[in-house]
Amino acid sequence: DPKIIQKPKYLVAVTGSEKILICEQYLGHNAMYWYRQSAKKPLEFMFSYSYQKLMDNQTASSRFQPQSSKKNHLDLQITALKPDDSATYFCASSQDGGQNTLYFGAGTRLSVL
Amino acid sequence: GDSVTQTEGLVTLTEGLPVMLNCTYQTIYSNPFLFWYVQHLNESPRLLLKSFTDNKRTEHQGFHATLHKSSSSFHLQKSSAQLSDSALYYCALKAASSGQKLVFGQGTILKVYL
Repeated sequence: DPKIIQKPKYLVAVTGSEKILICEQYLGHNAMYWYRQSAKKPLEFMFSYSYQKLMDNQTASSRFQPQSSKKNHLDLQITALKPDDSATYFCASSQDGGQNTLYFGAGTRLSVL
Repeated sequence: GDSVTQTEGLVTLTEGLPVMLNCTYQTIYSNPFLFWYVQHLNESPRLLLKSFTDNKRTEHQGFHATLHKSSSSFHLQKSSAQLSDSALYYCALKAASSGQKLVFGQGTILKVYL
């Protein structure tokens, strides 16, 4: 059974629209992340949360907003979608501290038309 | 800031030949953690091996790597490539200077042929 659940697996959106990518983890981890992977760039860090607090934000655009309603949830809201936002978005989690191994979800493949 | 540099692009090998994927890193932090992740086609990245101990070889699933802080390197090796090793490989760095996040290199695609 997957321990990090991402929904949906595939998503097609129209330019200018808004979408929410869902992520839930059942590993008992207290740190969660979003990474993006596209053909133009490899795995690119976006956000990190620890105990539901934003720790790091490497996303220049405010169109990307993480939302953490529960300790094991970290959703990603994307507004005013652009074709350049087309990518696979991976949610990940880890246990805080030390040589923490990052575990990835299966990803949401977003296509913006 | 922290960064990771890997063997550029695509590495192609005949099955049975040795594998070496280069990884060097930059960080001001003296005790970094280094990781290798592997991503097979249409899958998510998963941990292959990790290390934070200088000059100690770490092994997993036939692959091995040694962290050398003197040269800031963490090269991935395997004595004999298999078809199933074809995948995208990422070297990644975690350092206190970069908080909790892993900083990934640009990735190296390994393709193994018969």
